[in-house]
Amino acid sequence: GQNIDQPTEMTATEGAIVQINCTYQTSGFNGLFWYQQHAGEAPTFLSYNVLDGLEEKGRFSSFLSRSKGYSYLLLKELQMKDSASYLCAVMDSNYQLIWGAGTKLITKP
Amino acid sequence: GAVVSQHPSWVICKSGTSVKIECRSLDFQATTMFWYRQFPKQSLMLMATSNEGSKATYEQGVEKDKFLINHASLTLSTLTVTSAHPEDSSFYICSVPTGETEAFFGQGTRLTVV
Repeated sequence: GQNIDQPTEMTATEGAIVQINCTYQTSGFNGLFWYQQHAGEAPTFLSYNVLDGLEEKGRFSSFLSRSKGYSYLLLKELQMKDSASYLCAVMDSNYQLIWGAGTKLITKP
Repeated sequence: GAVVSQHPSWVICKSGTSVKIECRSLDFQATTMFWYRQFPKQSLMLMATSNEGSKATYEQGVEKDKFLINHASLTLSTLTVTSAHPEDSSFYICSVPTGETEAFFGQGTRLTVV
């Protein structure tokens, strides 16, 4: 079956660096997405990786290793507004998105 | 990026009534739209793929007679929850794929059935 695993919850301090991991097992692979979702709101797109390596976009970076079925989202200079759920999703061979359950990030002052 | 408008943002309805949720792609012609449901503290679950001019494709376990999807134009898809029950209370979100690598989401609809 298809499976996306990510930690349920993480806590970090304002200004810190946080790494949210995601491992996946899917039928084919056409890219991995990270989305941010604040409570009660729709997800917003953060990043897309299809090739191995690190993609940097401001305070957010995303890494992919296809051979290991592994990705992480790195948040630098953590801010209070970064408190949200972070969803990892993989696009399978049918171009369908398979979603992880999300990681709730709690930022403390 | 594409702008997706979903309406209403929230709705409360009585058990047994029907509720229609609209998803509009404002600046992109969408032959396909996705409908998701999200229960509290859970991830998005794909309910169905809406196809313009043809029948929607439903995921396993989703009742097509209960969740009616109509995609009559390239800019509008509707989801109607028929004979709603309290267990249908959830957050419903549509998304418009604009290519193989990107999809844009509507604002979501919070449905509460009392």
